This record gives sequence, C-alpha cells and structure tokens, in this order.
Amino acid sequence: EAGVAQSPRYKIIEKRQSVAFWCNPISGHATLYWYQQILGQGPKLLIQFQNNGVVDDSQLPKDRFSAERLKGVDSTLKIQPAKLEDSAVYLCASSRPRGVAYEQYFGPGTRLTVT
Amino acid sequence: SQQGEEDPQALSIQEGENATMNCSYKTSINNLQWYRQNSGRGLVHLILIRSNEREKHSGRLRVTLDTSKKSSSLLITASRAADTASYFCATAAPYNNNDMRFGAGTRLTVKP
Repeated sequence: EAGVAQSPRYKIIEKRQSVAFWCNPISGHATLYWYQQILGQGPKLLIQFQNNGVVDDSQLPKDRFSAERLKGVDSTLKIQPAKLEDSAVYLCASSRPRGVAYEQYFGPGTRLTVT
Repeated sequence: SQQGEEDPQALSIQEGENATMNCSYKTSINNLQWYRQNSGRGLVHLILIRSNEREKHSGRLRVTLDTSKKSSSLLITASRAADTASYFCATAAPYNNNDMRFGAGTRLTVKP
C-alpha cells in the first residue's frame, strides 16, 4: 500500500509570512495526526483528527496554527504568521485501529525554516 | 504527562555488538511503542507492547516492559551499520489509544 504523502518536503520563509503543508494519509486510515519535531527532540502532537472531526488539539497554538481535514481524507496545516521558533519538521501520520492499540504510519515530513 | 524519556541520549557501538536503550514514563499506560527515525526521514514503527505484556520479540529486536517501574527497554542484537538512527519510545494513555506521547529519543551510531 502507498505510504503517507506530504508536501512540500522543504520550505523556507521569513518570519510573519504564512505557510501551508499538505498530507495525504494511507487509504482507509480514519485517524490523522500532525506532529511538530524540533531538532533534537521527539515529535510533539499538534492535532489529531478522526475522520473529519478534531479529537485533540490541546497542544496546537491556535493563535497562529490551523488545520483542517475536509472530507475526512487529506489534510492541511497552516501557520499564519510564522515565528522563528516554528522552525521544525512537521510530520503527518495516520493510523487505523488494530484491536485496542494503534500503530502510526508516518510521512517523510516537511522541514520548515523560518528566517 | 506520560511522555517517555529515553536513556541514554546517545549510544555508539561497533557492528555486531548489542545495543540497549531504555525508556521511562510517569503515568499509567495502555501500551508502549518503539519507533526508529533515520536522518531526514519520518518515523517507522518497530514494535508495540501492551501493558499486560512483559516481553516481545521481533527479529533482532527484544522489548521488555516493567509497569511496576514504569520502564521499558529495547535491545537490538547483532547490530548493523544500517541500524544507525534515532530510536523513540511512545506511550499511549489508558483513556485514548490515539494519544501518543514521544520522548526525546536515543541517537544510536553503529560503526562498521
């Protein structure tokens, strides 16, 4: 099966500019996640969707970050306006339940540099 | 938070040696998962161990879980240069299997 697709792979913007990332999960995966991974750290969950509904966005900086998953398939994550501390890799993952535990499949990520 | 904390932060070994990485967490969990991340790439799922399990094997990987100590270990036997990567543990909360929290990872370098 095809993996999780993300685009673009790299993005360089200046602070205060806007940027958007796109993710297409594995077909049939109902749950989609966006993570932020700062260099040297583990992934931090930003938002989790179940189909097209938000399950958890408690760690999403809602004053500048937004995400949507129209039609319950692909998703976009937007940052507006960007700050220097937003420089990170943004990872998208998807999962479908296997019994009571969930294995997540990750995309290659988008490396964002804010100058 | 049940975020896992890996130990050591970095590990360097020779090819053929075994590598052991540890993960500690703070609160009750439903399951614990280990992931690998090669430089510049996304994470790859390695193995999942449920809270009622104590040990699991997958190829050259062996994972143990001690819920009384809130800790887990990942053992890679007969390491290869291709095992060079960062390894992360992630814990799932009892109330939400989808709520995974990752540690900062162990950076493993296997020298040929």
